[in-house]
Amino acid sequence: DQQVKQNSPSLSVQEGRISILNCDYTNSMFDYFLWYKKYPAEGPTFLISISSIKDKNEDGRFTVFLNKSAKHLSLHIVPSQPGDSAVYFCAATYGNNRLAFGKGNQVVVIP
Amino acid sequence: DTGVSQDPRHKITKRGQNVTFRCDPISEHNRLYWYRQTLGQGPEFLTYFQNEAQLEKSRLLSDRFSAERPKGSFSTLEIQRTEQGDSAMYLCASSLRGTVSTEAFFGQGTRLTVV
Repeated sequence: DQQVKQNSPSLSVQEGRISILNCDYTNSMFDYFLWYKKYPAEGPTFLISISSIKDKNEDGRFTVFLNKSAKHLSLHIVPSQPGDSAVYFCAATYGNNRLAFGKGNQVVVIP
Repeated sequence: DTGVSQDPRHKITKRGQNVTFRCDPISEHNRLYWYRQTLGQGPEFLTYFQNEAQLEKSRLLSDRFSAERPKGSFSTLEIQRTEQGDSAMYLCASSLRGTVSTEAFFGQGTRLTVV
């Protein structure tokens, strides 16, 4: 069963504009959420995370928002840059154990 | 290089053969994870170790799969009697238990092709 869901498999955005990626989860036990970025032929790279006790975390151009009641989180990238073109995975965990990943979103930033 | 290292990067094998992959985690990390990723999917959890103890195994890990971490450092993942459905990217990750943030650091993966 897919506990972490990412719809809209691909997103194209103009350089300088905002990229918004969405993620929904079903397991209310999840207490930590992460976003990973993946380039072809490489492993996923950690991007940003948020604890379930917060509703927002910001790191430079990246901001993650968490809505626990809706079991929804989003990643905002602003401004988007060509180097942001990659696949983005939403992941969730509880008890500091295994990660449950979504299927990923392909982001293409157009120069 | 202090990142997670996996070997080999690519492996092509004939159906029915056994294969073994190696993962060297970040040296101070006590947790080590194996994931599998197929095309169009996110990584799927297979198993994890805390030091040398294998604490959890996914139901995806059939009896043809075995993982070890003999001295709590590097780990090996062996697949016996490979099948075409085993073709995937096998990812290793490591993390440090007890840290507030639980981000795991991934290696570059081993891409297995079973022909």
